[in-house]
Amino acid sequence: KAGVTQTPRYLIKTRGQQVTLSCSPISGHRSVSWYQQTPGQGLQFLFEYFSETQRNKGNFPGRFSGRQFSNSRSEMNVSTLELGDSALYLCASTPGGETGELFFGEGSRLTVL
Amino acid sequence: DQQVKQNSPSLSVQEGRISILNCDYTNSMFDYFLWYKKYPAEGPTFLISISSIKDKNEDGRFTVFLNKSAKHLSLHIVPSQPGDSAVYFCAARGYSGSARQLTFGSGTQLTVLP
Repeated sequence: KAGVTQTPRYLIKTRGQQVTLSCSPISGHRSVSWYQQTPGQGLQFLFEYFSETQRNKGNFPGRFSGRQFSNSRSEMNVSTLELGDSALYLCASTPGGETGELFFGEGSRLTVL
Repeated sequence: DQQVKQNSPSLSVQEGRISILNCDYTNSMFDYFLWYKKYPAEGPTFLISISSIKDKNEDGRFTVFLNKSAKHLSLHIVPSQPGDSAVYFCAARGYSGSARQLTFGSGTQLTVLP
């Protein structure tokens, strides 16, 4: 069974630009969550999508948005990039159930210059 | 407001000895706790979990202890191996509105010295 796939793995943008990151969950997983990882801050929750609906949202500005398609694939978008947006963006999918265990992709490393 | 805290950013242990990673939380409504391990250039992988109704869960070399009164959990690795060198994140499950959400700590870099 293929794991969670994120594209692109690495990208460099300049301030003011926008970026779109893609995530394909494990087959059969309907929930997709996005996290931002920065040094010293751990994994900060961005949002969760389930059946094409945003089910939960973290404390990030409106520049961060996402969506989920009918095949459970998800995208997140960051507009008007700032230097502080440089981070590893991780996507995770879950089959549901009681544990809430997340299966993570390898992440998309975004550098904003 | 960090609800899940890992106060030690790094820990070094000799191979074969015990590694103890600690995690504190503030939200008494968390009902499930998980540990993840992360190697560089990889996503975090699930390691072990514990329900809030238990105080210990064991899986091979890994044991997680939960002290609800102190709002503290710890991960014990015995014996530690060089391949255990990674960043370890603790996570707690709670509810935001009607949706479950995992809240992560900032991570502890474990280095096991050969």
